[in-house]
Amino acid sequence: AQSVTQLDSQVPVFEEAPVELRCNYSSSVSVYLFWYVQYPNQGLQLLLKYLSGSTLVKGINGFEAEFNKSQTSFHLRKPSVHISDTAEYFCAVSEPEYQLIWGAGTKLIIKP
Amino acid sequence: DVKVTQSSRYLVKRTGEKVFLECVQDMDHENMFWYRQDPGLGLRLIYFSYDVKMKEKGDIPEGYSVSREKKERFSLILESASTNQTSMYLCASTGGWRSYEQYFGPGTRLTVT
Repeated sequence: AQSVTQLDSQVPVFEEAPVELRCNYSSSVSVYLFWYVQYPNQGLQLLLKYLSGSTLVKGINGFEAEFNKSQTSFHLRKPSVHISDTAEYFCAVSEPEYQLIWGAGTKLIIKP
Repeated sequence: DVKVTQSSRYLVKRTGEKVFLECVQDMDHENMFWYRQDPGLGLRLIYFSYDVKMKEKGDIPEGYSVSREKKERFSLILESASTNQTSMYLCASTGGWRSYEQYFGPGTRLTVT
């Protein structure tokens, strides 16, 4: 069965510093991968997705993620965070034609 | 822009009450979903629907039912609310039979006392 592990429940980082949010998944077949963001008191919105092609995927607000098939990872990165990036970030995986399986979420805490 | 709306942002109900949560999407999407979100557990799928009057159980359907009488509207029903159903409820929709990019409503925070 598929599963998604987000290795950190919280990541504190200083403003303008780089950040990496980690996501690992388990699956025996090809998968599609997603990062969603949930700002305080809002629903989730799609940040970026990997369906096929280049393993480096760029998303909104300067975020990017790299698909690593051998390590079954899809880590999210941003070179310089801003206070407005304070949010909870969810990694999700889907085998073709199946529903999304969600990670537990990582809260990004920006320190001024 | 896809818009998914939910009937209430905050709701407080008493144990044993029947609770209706409504979700409406305006993009003619075939698929609609109800999740509950709890700290440290991520999103857990309660029910989903891939067409009018069609529904499928998700991972945690116990204590819930759903209704989809019109394509744009998907209702979640708690027949007899219990305190362990206190949670954030999120509705989502997506078009097409490969349900990848999901569009979410703002959520309903339900407290059962």
